Amino acid sequence: DIQMTQSPSTLSASVGDRVTITCRASQSVSTWLAWYQQKPGKAPKLLMYKASSLERGVPSRFSGSGSGTEFTLTISSLQPDDFATYYCQQYSSYSWTFGQGTKVEIK
Amino acid sequence: EVQLVESGGGLVQPGGSLRLSCAASGFGFSYYLMNWVRQAPGKGLEWVANINEGGRETHYVDSVKGRFTISRDDASNSLYLQMNSLRAEDTAVYYCAREDYMSGLDYWGQGTLVTVSS
Repeated sequence: DIQMTQSPSTLSASVGDRVTITCRASQSVSTWLAWYQQKPGKAPKLLMYKASSLERGVPSRFSGSGSGTEFTLTISSLQPDDFATYYCQQYSSYSWTFGQGTKVEIK
Repeated sequence: EVQLVESGGGLVQPGGSLRLSCAASGFGFSYYLMNWVRQAPGKGLEWVANINEGGRETHYVDSVKGRFTISRDDASNSLYLQMNSLRAEDTAVYYCAREDYMSGLDYWGQGTLVTVSS
């Protein structure tokens, strides 16, 4: 199975900060990489797909990049609604696997 | 509006069985792959299984192979997960999720809690 490793596990930031989360795959997933946002008690929400494509309705302050084994999710200017946990997921090869998550906390 | 509504969760003893259901609406259910994803309390997301359009092809995470069975009924727009030989480590919120070939898991239900405990 392909292992997905996110860093950092926790990130403390302030409103307006630029935030970057990294996701590494144990082998190439090409660009078959998605990012999800999850708030406490809620289902995950798709933010990005194919590594750099923004899902409909997601604010443009979110962006994604990368291919192969290294990927990043960037929030250009952190907003109060963005404090949540973020997961990457590869859908290149079964079984699908998620990163362990990155919790974005208020500094 | 796409809606996915899970049901069937509850408390079950170790070794027991449970069948989860997911009622889909607002989209052409038969045209989409469907997935189950779970989240243990306070933990991250774990993909469990998926089933292709038509139901002829299924995939499972290793930890549930031989114990869980995913199925679908396109006539009633329903997805199922039959869970047998349940273990404490299967305790989790189980989400039903639609899979788009290009964009991954684009719609999720609200989840149903399964607790395996004596």
